[in-house]
Amino acid sequence: EIVLTQSPGTLSLSPGERATLSCRASQSVTGNYLAWYLHKLGQPPKLLIYGASNRAPGIPDRFSGSGSGTDFTLTISRLEPEDFAIYYCQQYGSSTRTFGQGTKVEIK
Amino acid sequence: QVQLQESGPGLVKPSETLSLICTVSGDSISGFSWTWLRQPPGKGLEWIGYVSDRGTTIYNPSLDSRVTMSVDTSEKQFSLKLRSVTAADTAVYFCARGSGWLNHWGQGSLVTVSS
Repeated sequence: EIVLTQSPGTLSLSPGERATLSCRASQSVTGNYLAWYLHKLGQPPKLLIYGASNRAPGIPDRFSGSGSGTDFTLTISRLEPEDFAIYYCQQYGSSTRTFGQGTKVEIK
Repeated sequence: QVQLQESGPGLVKPSETLSLICTVSGDSISGFSWTWLRQPPGKGLEWIGYVSDRGTTIYNPSLDSRVTMSVDTSEKQFSLKLRSVTAADTAVYFCARGSGWLNHWGQGSLVTVSS
């Protein structure tokens, strides 16, 4: 099973600032099959990025994904108020899909 | 626009079987795989497994001995059964479309395991 480790656990930033979230895999993710989700309390997770760098339909271009192999990054260029939430990475390159433990982006 | 809705008992007794159904509307159930996930209170997301429209299943090895998933294309529903539940199975259960990245999710259904 591929273990995904997200860092930092919590990111305290102000609206308008840039957020950089990391997701590191315990082994190489086949095909860079890595997705990012935004999750708010009481709502289902929302797909942001798939295939490490492809924005899902309707996702603003302030969200971008990068990386390959074992190291992946989600960047939010300028935080909007609605972006403060928990972010999860997920790999789907192996038959057993796994999620990272999440990074909370909170208002400073 | 595809919509998914989980349904089932919100309370299950320990040692019994948790049963949930996800109903798909707004699009075909055929041609896709369908995933179940859960989120225990205060914890992160856990992938339970998925079922294809033809009934092929892949389960999380940690739950494999207790899980059964199936699909009913005529009813546009797919289901989750989790046997021999304990308090550790208390969670919000989500259904979603896809087997890899998941772009459509149900709202989630809280299932509490308690006597």
